[in-house]
Amino acid sequence: DADVTQTPRNRITKTGKRIMLECSQTKGHDRMYWYRQDPGLGLRLIYYSFDVKDINKGEISDGYSVSRQAQAKFSLSLESAIPNQTALYFCATSDGGRGPGLSGYTFGSGTRLTVV
Amino acid sequence: AQKITQTQPGMFVQEKEAVTLDCTYDTSDQSYGLFWYKQPSSGEMIFLIYQGSYDEQNATEGRYSLNFQKARKSANLVISASQLGDSAMYFCAMRTNNQGGKLIFGQGTELSVKP
Repeated sequence: DADVTQTPRNRITKTGKRIMLECSQTKGHDRMYWYRQDPGLGLRLIYYSFDVKDINKGEISDGYSVSRQAQAKFSLSLESAIPNQTALYFCATSDGGRGPGLSGYTFGSGTRLTVV
Repeated sequence: AQKITQTQPGMFVQEKEAVTLDCTYDTSDQSYGLFWYKQPSSGEMIFLIYQGSYDEQNATEGRYSLNFQKARKSANLVISASQLGDSAMYFCAMRTNNQGGKLIFGQGTELSVKP
């Protein structure tokens, strides 16, 4: 099994629908992130979480919400999906290393979301 | 502001030749990390190589090396002996010390390897 599992892998939904993207990890990492990828823009941070009680907005959080149900689970919700939320979404985890050492990041395989 | 810039939207290279993908960064942090990821058409993000800001030697991982020039704030990826399987999107990223240690990504470079 993958270290970071995202479900679903692909999803097509209609404008105005609520949709949840799920992420689970077996890395034992405390930090979890949701990123969005758009062509020509790289990946941008939506939300991040240090632990179940510590959730923070990233640079593009409008229109999204998250839930950290457990250390291993971090879900992203689109309350009312709109077409410009069509993108590739990644969940990632980190061991939160500080200083000059390597801080390991592990990415899920991504969820391709299309809003029509 | 912290930023990663990749100025080459697309590049071509002949199979078996070397290629350099450019990356410049901007940060006021003294401690930071620089990463390169490969994204094939299937979409997953594959970690290639890491360079810490205090590392004195350039990082190498097999056919990948990172040409780290701290004074110029550049972290170029060099791929030696290109293979057809190297055709993919490549992202440069920087680990920040804020927002939970997030990664800041560049716009990406699409590399095409010609047979």
